[in-house]
Amino acid sequence: SQQGEEDPQALSIQEGENATMNCSYKTSINNLQWYRQNSGRGLVHLILIRSNEREKHSGRLRVTLDTSKKSSSLLITASRAADTASYFCAQFRALTQGGSEKLVFGKGMKLTVNP
Amino acid sequence: DAGITQSPRHKVTETGTPVTLRCHQTENHRYMYWYRQDPGHGLRLIHYSYGVKDTDKGEVSDGYSVSRSKTEDFLLTLESATSSQTSVYFCAISLQGERGGYTFGSGTRLTVV
Repeated sequence: SQQGEEDPQALSIQEGENATMNCSYKTSINNLQWYRQNSGRGLVHLILIRSNEREKHSGRLRVTLDTSKKSSSLLITASRAADTASYFCAQFRALTQGGSEKLVFGKGMKLTVNP
Repeated sequence: DAGITQSPRHKVTETGTPVTLRCHQTENHRYMYWYRQDPGHGLRLIHYSYGVKDTDKGEVSDGYSVSRSKTEDFLLTLESATSSQTSVYFCAISLQGERGGYTFGSGTRLTVV
């Protein structure tokens, strides 16, 4: 029932390196969102990119959206140990045929940044 | 997590007992959601609410009911808890209308033994 699928499922890098996470989805979207979840905590909204946008920045985060390929990527530049978390993409999808759309999350990707 | 609190944070209950989880928001937002998070499944929507006494089912609503008698409170009830309902439950609010980003509570870890 997942709409978005993150890739890779796990990524381990060294502090200072860049981390790129990809998300693929199946149906047309209004917007796509990225969230972070630290261990034992709730999800934190990072960035929302609309279907008519191709790229968006927020601090060290850069999100791209390619609606022709139904994919998005989240780039974290100059990673820090504090970026260690799970990252999720999410899109609005109808849960039933003809039903209203609700935010559906991928299964997440675990990023480990080693000091 | 600003403006949204969940209680309890942890609960252990026995199979067959009723359990109610509470989500409280201080910012008068219209849209509220209950998700459960399980390994291998990610987050799945249980129920949601568009306002007082306006609720509807999500994708995994069987065995759950909700109530929203006040804007600030959204209650999730497991009428008769089962081991399959062992999970982490998250409440969320939508800050900027129905299609905006969500703010999540810190979660309730429920164990049904």
